[in-house]
Amino acid sequence: SYVLTQPPSVSVAPGQTARITCGGDNIGGKIVQWYQQKPGQAPVLVVYDDSDRPSGIPERFSGSKSGNTATLTISRVDAGDEADYYCQVWDNSTDILYVFGTGTKVTVL
Amino acid sequence: QVRLVESGGGVVQSGRSLRLSCVASGFMFGSYGMHWVRQAPGKGLEWVALISYDGNQYYSESVKGRFAISRDVPKKMLYLQMNSLKDDDTAVYYCAKDRNTVVRGIISDWGQGTLVTASS
Repeated sequence: SYVLTQPPSVSVAPGQTARITCGGDNIGGKIVQWYQQKPGQAPVLVVYDDSDRPSGIPERFSGSKSGNTATLTISRVDAGDEADYYCQVWDNSTDILYVFGTGTKVTVL
Repeated sequence: QVRLVESGGGVVQSGRSLRLSCVASGFMFGSYGMHWVRQAPGKGLEWVALISYDGNQYYSESVKGRFAISRDVPKKMLYLQMNSLKDDDTAVYYCAKDRNTVVRGIISDWGQGTLVTASS
C-alpha cells in the first residue's frame, strides 16, 4: 500500500517560517492536498492541487513539490497556526484511493 | 454554504452492527463524491469509503466486506453501514465532500464527526 511519511513534529517561533514535508514514492506524479486540524475540530483543506489555496485560506500557506517530497510552507507563523497538518494524495493505481500522511504537529514556541 | 452533520455514533459491542448517517445541505448532493473518513483516538486520519457522483463505491482494505456506503439523493443523506465491528474500528467518523464533481482526489468539506466506540 502507498505510504506518505511526515515528521511527527515541527516547532517554530512566532513570525518565522514553518516547513512541513511529505514524502512518498513517485509523489511527483500525484496531486497533493494539505489539511489543518486543530484540537477537537474537523480537518480544514488549506492547499489542494499541490499549490492552490481554497478561498479564505491566507496567502501565508503555500504548497510545493520537488522530487519525492511535497512541502507545506507556513510564513509569518502565529499562535493560531498551531495544529496538526496532514498531507493527502489520490492513488487510483490501487484499491486505496485516498491516502493520508502520518501527520505533523506544529508547535508555535 | 456546505453543511454536513453526522449522527448515529455510540457505544457498540464488538461483532455487532451500527449505521451512521450524514445530512448534507448547501450544494447539489447528487453531483459530488462523498466520503467517510475516520480518526482513532490520538491517531491520524484514515480514509474509509467513497461513493462517487455516479454511485460507484470504493473502500479501504481495512473495512472492505464489512462496511457499506450508500446514499439517498432526494433526502441528501449519506450512510455508512458498519457490520462485524472490531475494537480497531473505534474512531471519530467524519462525513466529507469531494471538491469536484469528477473525482480528482480532493476533499473540500468535512462534518464535525460522530464517535463510534466498539468494545468487547
